[in-house]
Amino acid sequence: DAKTTQPTSMDCAEGRAANLPCNHSTISGNEYVYWYRQIHSQGPQYIIHGLKNNETNEMASLIITEDRKSSTLILPHATLRDTAVYYCIVRVRGNDYKLSFGAGTTVTVRA
Amino acid sequence: GAGVSQSPRYKVAKRGQDVALRCDPISGHVSLFWYQQALGQGPEFLTYFQNEAQLDKSGLPSDRFFAERPEGSVSTLKIQRTQQEDSAVYLCASSLSGGGRTDTQYFGPGTRLTVL
Repeated sequence: DAKTTQPTSMDCAEGRAANLPCNHSTISGNEYVYWYRQIHSQGPQYIIHGLKNNETNEMASLIITEDRKSSTLILPHATLRDTAVYYCIVRVRGNDYKLSFGAGTTVTVRA
Repeated sequence: GAGVSQSPRYKVAKRGQDVALRCDPISGHVSLFWYQQALGQGPEFLTYFQNEAQLDKSGLPSDRFFAERPEGSVSTLKIQRTQQEDSAVYLCASSLSGGGRTDTQYFGPGTRLTVL
């Protein structure tokens, strides 16, 4: 299975962009990169996903390197409500329906 | 629109009791998933339904865990003879189609089970 590596934690300032890195060096084929986040005491929330091209939606942008071995989730203007654990997940061909969350990155947005 | 709902939100059980956790998926969603999240860890896959068919139950930790979705909508996760190690948050998710890698899963708020 393609595994992901994320920093354990990071801080960012309110109003600034938050850039969350993820390594997935063993990703292959048509395996998608998904990002979810989990705010304290809530269920995981879908943020964005991508395959090869950069993606943007109302929540965030996803930048995937050309070799697809890493990606960055960008929260353009972090707010205190963005404080959460962020999970980078590779959805693996053949086990598509299982989301393997890992430990994620605990992001703390500070005023 | 209505999201995934779960009940109860909190459940305290004495060791040895049976519990039943309910999940109401988003209306019309074909696939339904159960995950278990221990304190401080990411969610772990338990089982997967497509309509009423349970296609994968490989993540269920023991035969004390049983899940059903008899009419292809509401699902119940049952835990028999609960043990302290069963204490966790149980998350339910649903997705529109067959659960493939472009099919987004939407999660409920979870049920926090505490076994004393």
